[in-house]
Order: sequence, then C-alpha cells, then structure tokens
Amino acid sequence: GQNIDQPTEMTATEGAIVQINCTYQTSGFNGLFWYQQHAGEAPTFLSYNVLDGLEEKGRFSSFLSRSKGYSYLLLKELQMKDSASYLCAVRGNAGNNRKLIWGLGTSLAVNP
Amino acid sequence: GAVVSQHPSWVICKSGTSVKIECRSLDFQATTMFWYRQFPKQSLMLMATSNEGSKATYEQGVEKDKFLINHASLTLSTLTVTSAHPEDSSFYICSAPPSRTASNEQFFGPGTRLTVL
Repeated sequence: GQNIDQPTEMTATEGAIVQINCTYQTSGFNGLFWYQQHAGEAPTFLSYNVLDGLEEKGRFSSFLSRSKGYSYLLLKELQMKDSASYLCAVRGNAGNNRKLIWGLGTSLAVNP
Repeated sequence: GAVVSQHPSWVICKSGTSVKIECRSLDFQATTMFWYRQFPKQSLMLMATSNEGSKATYEQGVEKDKFLINHASLTLSTLTVTSAHPEDSSFYICSAPPSRTASNEQFFGPGTRLTVL
C-alpha cells in the first residue's frame, strides 16, 4: 500500500530551529511537497522536491532522499506565527493524474 | 501565484437539504480540480478528482450519488452535497494544479465550512 508517516505533534521555542521528518512508501515517485496549514484555513505551498538534496527558501528548507524514501522540512528562526500544521504530500505517478498522497500532518507549537 | 476561489466560505443548512459549493480558478485554466474534506484536527482526505469534460473520479468509500461533481468549464468545478446530514459537516477544500507549473503544485481555495443542523 501507499503510506506517508510524519510525527503527530512537535513543540519548539521561538527563535530555535525545528526539523519535521516525513517518510513515504508509494508506488512510484514524482515529487514531494510540503504545505503549511493554519487552523481553519486552506493549506499553502511551502516547497517542492523531486531530486535528492536540499532546497532552501528563506527560513524554510526541505530535503529529499529518494533512496531512503525520506524528507524533512527545516524551519529556522522560529516565529510564533509558524505555529501550524505541516503536511507532507507525495505525487506517486507521473502523467496527467496529479493526485497527491497526503500525510496526516504535524502540528507544530512554537512557544515564547 | 495562481488564485483559486471558493464560494460560499461557510454555509449552514438543515438536514436533508442540498448544498452547492463552487471552486473557480481565477487566473489560469484547470482541466483537473481536486475536492478534499477535512474534519477537525485531521488531515486532508481526497474525495474526488474533477475532470473538465468528463466524469469525476471518486476515491474509495465516497458516494458519487451523494457528492455530485460537475466540471462545467476550464475554470469552474462544483461540488453538491445532496441530502446533507450532520455527519457531512466538515471543511471542504478544492485545489487545482496549473498546467504550466513545472512542479504541478496545487493551489488551494480558501475552503468552505459546512454545518448541517
């Protein structure tokens, strides 16, 4: 079957660094996405990885290892507004079907 | 970035009535749109893939006769929840991947919160 695992909850301190891990087992791989979702709002796109390595975008970075079926999202200089749910999603198949397989999300609480 | 709108943003209805939710891509064409449902403190659950000009593809366990999807044009998909019941109360979100984005990133609408009394 297809499966995406990520921790349910994490807590960190304002100004610190936090790493949210995601492991996946899917039939095929055609890209991994990270989304941020605040309570009561729709998800917003954070990052996309399709090749191995690190993608950096401001305070957020995302890493991918396809051989290990592993990704992480790194958040630096944490701010209170970073308290949200972080969703890992994998596009399993290429072609016109762009359906994503979603993890259950990691709820991050940033404390002062 | 691409913009997806949803209407209404929230709706309250009586049990047994039908509710229509619209999803529009405002500045791009979308041959495919996705409809999700999200219960409190849970992740997104894909309900169906809406295809312009053809029938929607429903995920296992989703009743196609209860959740009617119509992809009327390249910028509009509608989800109708028929004979709504309290257990249908949820946050419904649509998304669309612009065809010209290399990553095929999905842009989400703001969501519709449905409450069935």
